[in-house]
Formats: sequence, structure tokens, C-alpha cells
Amino acid sequence: GENVEQHPSTLSVQEGDSAVIKCTYSDSASNYFPWYKQELGKGPQLIIDIRSNVGEKKDQRIAVTLNKTAKHFSLHITETQPEDSAVYFCAAPRQLTFGSGTQLTVLP
Amino acid sequence: EAGVAQSPRYKIIEKRQSVAFWCNPISGHATLYWYQQILGQGPKLLIQFQNNGVVDDSQLPKDRFSAERLKGVDSTLKIQPAKLEDSAVYLCASSSGVRAGLAGEPSQETQYFGPGTRLLVL
Repeated sequence: GENVEQHPSTLSVQEGDSAVIKCTYSDSASNYFPWYKQELGKGPQLIIDIRSNVGEKKDQRIAVTLNKTAKHFSLHITETQPEDSAVYFCAAPRQLTFGSGTQLTVLP
Repeated sequence: EAGVAQSPRYKIIEKRQSVAFWCNPISGHATLYWYQQILGQGPKLLIQFQNNGVVDDSQLPKDRFSAERLKGVDSTLKIQPAKLEDSAVYLCASSSGVRAGLAGEPSQETQYFGPGTRLLVL
């Protein structure tokens, strides 16, 4: 069946450093790759997404890169801030299979 | 634009009791999803509606879970009888496209999530 693997499960960085989270997927038909941020007590919120016709997309301090040949995509957060602390999820294929999540902690 | 609304926000019941959750999607959104999120895990799709029809319910435990979306707007998810392992957050999400997420077709529509209902089964 469809499978999404997300790494790492936990990530601690110092404020101002960069954070990278990676997801691999199995369904080659996937062509839309979103990343969600979930804060405690809230539902997931889309922070950035990428479609398969591009290799990279950037929005201020957040970027997503896609490698369709290797079937993986990554979330990059630069200049991390304490408010970036949350659980991050990738989703693929068909956006209906979520990764297991990464707990990001930004240390002041 | 109002977001996805869910109620109740919290529910505590004893095993073998029944419970129901309600979701009101963003106005005009054709597709509605129910997810189960167990602590420490990613959301798992239970059922997907397009208007008032079921698109995918392959992961819904149909012996105890049921869901409906009458008139293609609001939706309710019911568990009867509840088990201890049903303790989780139940998330509702909606997306706009009419052709979003048809079974077997890649979905490229952004999903908007509600705050979830936290269920504890004792």
C-alpha cells in the first residue's frame, strides 16, 4: 500500500539555525506535496506545498525541495525562531497519507 | 473567511458508550474529510466525502464507526460502541475542488483543518 516515511521524529536546534525534515514516499503518481504545522491543541495548518512540475519553492524562511526520481521531498526552515516550535507533517500520496510527524524544538 | 468548525472540543466517555462529533466545513467546500489522530502519530484518513457522497471509506471501522454528510454541508461522525483504543483527536478538514481527491486520483487541493475533538474513552 501507500507509504510515507518522515525523518527525524524529533529535532532540536538553536534559535537562528536551520532545520531540515525529510519525507520519502512510494506512490509515483503523487504530484502534490504539502507540509503542515501543528501546534499544541490545534489542527494541522498548511505552511507550504509544491507540485511535481517544480523542484523547489520558497516562502520567506520556509522552503520545500522535491526529488521525484528519488521520491523524496524536504522542508527547510532557516533562521529558526521559538515560534517555529511545533510538530510538522508531510503528506503524500494524494495528500491523504500523512507522515508520522517531526517534533521541532527551537531553543532560545 | 470562517474556518472549519468542530464540536464538541472535548469528550470523555466510558467504553461501550456511543459518541458523535459534528463538523461544519468552510462554506462552499465540496470535499470533507474525517481523520483520526492518535497521540504521537500523523492523522489517518477515516472517510472522505464529495458533496454528500462517499469517495473513500476504506479505513473506516464500519462495525463501530459511521459518518454522514446530509445535504452536502455539515457532517457527523459516530462511534458506537466505543473502545479504549478509540481515544484520539478526531479532525475534520475540507477542500474546495469538486474533483478534489477522487479515489485513485491524486489530490491537489489544499485541505483546511478544524481544531479537532479530543476523545478519551475510559
